Amino acid sequence: AQTVTQSQPEMSVQEAETVTLSCTYDTSESDYYLFWYKQPPSRQMILVIRQEAYKQQNATENRFSVNFQKAAKSFSLKISDSQLGDAAMYFCAYRKTGTASKLTFGTGTRLQVTL
Amino acid sequence: AAGVIQSPRHLIKEKRETATLKCYPIPRHDTVYWYQQGPGQDPQFLISFYEKMQSDKGSIPDRFSAQQFSDYHSELNMSSLELGDSALYFCASSLRGLQTQYFGPGTRLLVL
Repeated sequence: AQTVTQSQPEMSVQEAETVTLSCTYDTSESDYYLFWYKQPPSRQMILVIRQEAYKQQNATENRFSVNFQKAAKSFSLKISDSQLGDAAMYFCAYRKTGTASKLTFGTGTRLQVTL
Repeated sequence: AAGVIQSPRHLIKEKRETATLKCYPIPRHDTVYWYQQGPGQDPQFLISFYEKMQSDKGSIPDRFSAQQFSDYHSELNMSSLELGDSALYFCASSLRGLQTQYFGPGTRLLVL
């Protein structure tokens, strides 16, 4: 079974600074997808970024980027120029390829952004 | 852009009662997923449907059932509710060829 581990229950960053959230996963699959979802206090699940395992290039979305290390099964999220609106719970998630495959989530990292 | 719609947004039930949660996927999305998120926990997969057929099943109690209809909307039926069923229930949808799941706002169920 696939597992996703987020070893940082809480992180804090100052506004305008950069923070990196860690995620590791375990799978025997060679092709899969990885995601970061953000859950603000409203509890809406918002997609932040996605990475296909077959792509060597790290995904980027504006201030958000990932460091995908397939051999190490590591998938960290870097948030640059942090903003107050980035404060939320961040979940790392894994999904194998295939129709209607489920997402397996990590336990989440709560990010605080301070002035 | 249209998003996933869930109704109701909030629901309060007594123990042993029945609840029905509805999910309307993003237009043209043919795949629906249900997740349960307890307080302070990560979302747990319950069940998914593709083209009106059950596709995958997670840790869904036998008291729960779900289906996807011809217009692709889905309903999660929960019977003999227990206090432990109190949670946020998410529906997500995707287009088969695209691997990204988009989540609805969730239904907050409180069982008293």
